[in-house]
Amino acid sequence: DAGVIQSPRHEVTEMGQEVTLRCKPISGHNSLFWYRQTMMRGLELLIYFNNNVPIDDSGMPEDRFSAKMPNASFSTLKIQPSEPRDSAVYFCASSPGTNYNSPLHFGNGTRLTVT
Amino acid sequence: GEDVEQSLFLSVREGDSSVINCTYTDSSSTYLYWYKQEPGAGLQLLTYIFSNMDMKQDQRLTVLLNKKDKHLSLRIADTQTGDSAIYFCAESKMTGANNLFFGTGTRLTVIP
Repeated sequence: DAGVIQSPRHEVTEMGQEVTLRCKPISGHNSLFWYRQTMMRGLELLIYFNNNVPIDDSGMPEDRFSAKMPNASFSTLKIQPSEPRDSAVYFCASSPGTNYNSPLHFGNGTRLTVT
Repeated sequence: GEDVEQSLFLSVREGDSSVINCTYTDSSSTYLYWYKQEPGAGLQLLTYIFSNMDMKQDQRLTVLLNKKDKHLSLRIADTQTGDSAIYFCAESKMTGANNLFFGTGTRLTVIP
């Protein structure tokens, strides 16, 4: 099992540019989560999907952020236009179910720097 | 998250026990988790405890839960340098979903 795969590992971009982060969940997992980690705010849940359907996007900061899950094996998080305050590590996680006892498996994250 | 609080730093000597503490505010939390984050990596699930339990032991790890005080702790026996990492506690809510709410994390430094 390759685990949750995120790409790219690092992204450096200029303010105003579009950024797309990618995630491949563990095969067979039907829940997918996007988290953002910063020093100031810690880990924040942005959005999560169940069976490719967005369930809760209340954590998405603003309309510049959007997430899609076109199929069970792929998800994207897009920021357009990006701003310096979006600089953070973005984690994708998947789990086999939606029950509270289904553990989350995290990818290694994408470190985003917006200059 | 603001509902889950941890101290930011802990230093211990190799071979000693480490105790990492966490307080949470939502009495309806069903499962409480401990995750470990090593540099440059994602979070790795260490252990979890159901809210009707007081204690859970797993090799060098002992989790204690005090529901009355909403206090959770993780004890690592015989701490090793490889245990140096950030440790997060997290709670799941009674909504039934497993979207977790994480604490700020405690950075454990093990001194050789």
